[in-house]
Amino acid sequence: DVKVTQSSRYLVKRTGEKVFLECVQDMDHENMFWYRQDPGLGLRLIYFSYDVKMKEKGDIPEGYSVSREKKERFSLILESASTNQTSMYLCASNHLYGYTFGSGTRLTVV
Amino acid sequence: QQQVKQSPQSLIVQKGGISIINCAYENTAFDYFPWYQQFPGKGPALLIAIRPDVSEKKEGRFTISFNKSAKQFSLHIMDSQPGDSATYFCAANNYNQGGKLIFGQGTELSVKP
Repeated sequence: DVKVTQSSRYLVKRTGEKVFLECVQDMDHENMFWYRQDPGLGLRLIYFSYDVKMKEKGDIPEGYSVSREKKERFSLILESASTNQTSMYLCASNHLYGYTFGSGTRLTVV
Repeated sequence: QQQVKQSPQSLIVQKGGISIINCAYENTAFDYFPWYQQFPGKGPALLIAIRPDVSEKKEGRFTISFNKSAKQFSLHIMDSQPGDSATYFCAANNYNQGGKLIFGQGTELSVKP
């Protein structure tokens, strides 16, 4: 089974902090994605990557950046955390069609 | 053209009843339509998926009905159980666009005993 592992289940950070969310997949998938999930808004794509060192903006990239130095690892960076970035963050990977998601990181910015 | 619209936002069904969730899309280039199930505290997991060359796909109590001309697809859960209580997302994509899934807004299903 493909595994997508997100490093933290829960995080509490202060406004203005730089925050790193890590995601690792073990199936050599080319594609990796970061979404945020908010009630009533569904899953919104922040950034995605088709290969090492490649990244593309999704629908809501503002306030975020990403890094993909190795194929198996895709990091989401909040440059200066703000309270409106309090959310559930989901990482996913795929090869062709369907995604495999991680369990999510619930981030609270205070 | 990239949106997938899902309804209802929430659904309450009695145990043993049929749960129906609907989705509509605009982009006729979409060629893969999955449904994801998400339990509280977990990431979404693939439940069932369909390609546009078939009108129905059934896996156990879960059935996808697909209407290509209307650009609509739906999830039917037969004999709904309390353990089916979860959030359900429909999605669509076109492999030529890099496998990026477009998700519906989600439906929170509650099955009452």
